[in-house]
Amino acid sequence: GAVVSQHPSWVICKSGTSVKIECRSLDFQATTMFWYRQFPKQSLMLMATSNEGSKATYEQGVEKDKFLINHASLTLSTLTVTSAHPEDSSFYICSAMTHQETQYFGPGTRLLVL
Amino acid sequence: GENVEQHPSTLSVQEGDSAVIKCTYSDSASNYFPWYKQELGKGPQLIIDIRSNVGEKKDQRIAVTLNKTAKHFSLHITETQPEDSAVYFCAASIGGNNDMRFGAGTRLTVKP
Repeated sequence: GAVVSQHPSWVICKSGTSVKIECRSLDFQATTMFWYRQFPKQSLMLMATSNEGSKATYEQGVEKDKFLINHASLTLSTLTVTSAHPEDSSFYICSAMTHQETQYFGPGTRLLVL
Repeated sequence: GENVEQHPSTLSVQEGDSAVIKCTYSDSASNYFPWYKQELGKGPQLIIDIRSNVGEKKDQRIAVTLNKTAKHFSLHITETQPEDSAVYFCAASIGGNNDMRFGAGTRLTVKP
């Protein structure tokens, strides 16, 4: 099946620093990737849709200057949390869409901002 | 906006019994309905999906049924095992977009 990786799997950072999370589709090309945020015991909340070679589309209420997304190639999308604050602590999950429009998820990145 | 409702929120069954999770959706243009299993601290894993041109799909102990008229779809797990314990999410595609909306999740516990 399709494999999606994320790096890092977890990160702890100080308030005010920026954190970059990478999402890679390992065995297929993905023109579209998605970034989700998940709070404990809650469902997945779509943050933005990342399209290769174009600007990301952000969901309402998600600050594009806070969560920078770059989809530089057909196998890589990055999410940068800029000037992170404790309230940004969460589980961030990406997914990549195959050409059959099936989404496969990465293993997630747990971010803790101190 | 488009909603996906999922029930129950928690489900506890005895090993070997069946488990059924139900979802309803509101967007009549939805045509793709995947189910994901999420274990603690991991990303969701696609376990089965169904498209609107079929009413039922089965893969070993897992089956999904779709009623487009009533706008609901269900996940059926037979002969449950303790390793089936996880949170299960349904999802529905949104109109002609690539977006999906997820249900709130069902925490399934299979007791040995």
